[in-house]
Formats: sequence, structure tokens, C-alpha cells
Amino acid sequence: LAKTTQPISMDSYEGQEVNITCSHNNIATNDYITWYQQFPSQGPRFIIQGYKTKVTNEVASLFIPADRKSSTLSLPRVSLSDTAVYYCLVGDDNYGQNFVFGPGTRLSVLP
Amino acid sequence: DTGVSQDPRHKITKRGQNVTFRCDPISEHNRLYWYRQTLGQGPEFLTYFQNEAQLEKSRLLSDRFSAERPKGSFSTLEIQRTEQGDSAMYLCASTRYIGRGPQETQYFGPGTRLLVL
Repeated sequence: LAKTTQPISMDSYEGQEVNITCSHNNIATNDYITWYQQFPSQGPRFIIQGYKTKVTNEVASLFIPADRKSSTLSLPRVSLSDTAVYYCLVGDDNYGQNFVFGPGTRLSVLP
Repeated sequence: DTGVSQDPRHKITKRGQNVTFRCDPISEHNRLYWYRQTLGQGPEFLTYFQNEAQLEKSRLLSDRFSAERPKGSFSTLEIQRTEQGDSAMYLCASTRYIGRGPQETQYFGPGTRLLVL
């Protein structure tokens, strides 16, 4: 059973900022929040990880409020190539059976 | 290419046959994971190894599935007496585990797509 809830799908247009919010009400103290991206017929690819506040890298930002019960992945100025499924996961340092991929959010970027 | 590799990329078999998949992780990674993914779903955890030791198996994993990592490098996943419900993408991932703290990035391979007729 997934420990996270996120929208099943989202649409956006090229050049827009996309924000995908994930709920994880039962996040544990030792859990980190990790986002993956997956294109068709490929394995998931790590995007970003955080524990609290804000994390930014070259592809995305991750916003985590103080209560850590949710998080928001922000993709700036999306392009058609950002069309993919995005997964939000919570877990500690073990990627075992408690590290659960839900169905993810299918993002479609339109021209 | 120093990423995770999987072989074969595609496999078609008849129901009842045995199949074996191979995964070569990133060389310095000590943990290796197997997942199964069906259409429209996220990857489902099957099992993982730290070096040659199998540390965890999914509670839902059938006895027909077995995995090995004999020398702590590559791993094989075998499915015996395949069933049509085994048709899926089988993904392998690896990571470098160094203990408590932020999770090390998990790198996935391209997967092996299995079709059981």
C-alpha cells in the first residue's frame, strides 16, 4: 500500500511551471522524500530528494512544509520532453518493501 | 556506459517455461534491487541484496521466483513455470549503501520486458 497520494494526471503547456503535490500524512521521522521520473519503456530516474524546507537542483525544486505531511515538486519552464510519469516516495535509508511506488502522476506537456 | 544493464531486454516465452534474467549493477554499488512493473502501475518491489546477501523479499513474492547474487556483483532473477500473470517489465536497480543518513540515489536499468504466451 502506497504511503503517498498524488494526482493521477496533469496537463501543462510548454514553458509553464508545473507543481505536483504529494501527500504523505504518515511520514516517519527518519523518512526522506524522493521523486523519480519515468519515461515509457525506461526505468525510473532520480530527480530530487529532501528532508525538510526547500531543495533545488539543476532540474527541479522540492518544497517541504514544516509538518512534512506533503511536498511539492516544481518543474520550471517545462518542455515536451518532460512528458513522463512522476513518482513521489517516502522512506528511510532502506529501499525495501516499505519504499513503495504508487501509480505516480502522468504529466503531459502540450505544445 | 557505466550504468545498470539488464539482459535480455525482451523475452517471449510459453506458459510453463522457466526464464532467467541478468542484471549488472554499477560496479561500486553494494545494493541491488529487483522490481516488477505492469502497465499503468509503479514498480513493485521484489527483493534486494547487499553484496551477496539477500536481505529482503516481498511478502507477496511467489515461490516460483528466485534471485541470486553469488559474488556480490551481477544478479540473476529466475521465474520457474511461468504464468501469463508474470508478463511485466522486470527492473533492476542499484545503489551504494553507506549506512544511516540521506538515501543514496537508486539507479535503475532499462528493464527486461517479459511476455508469457
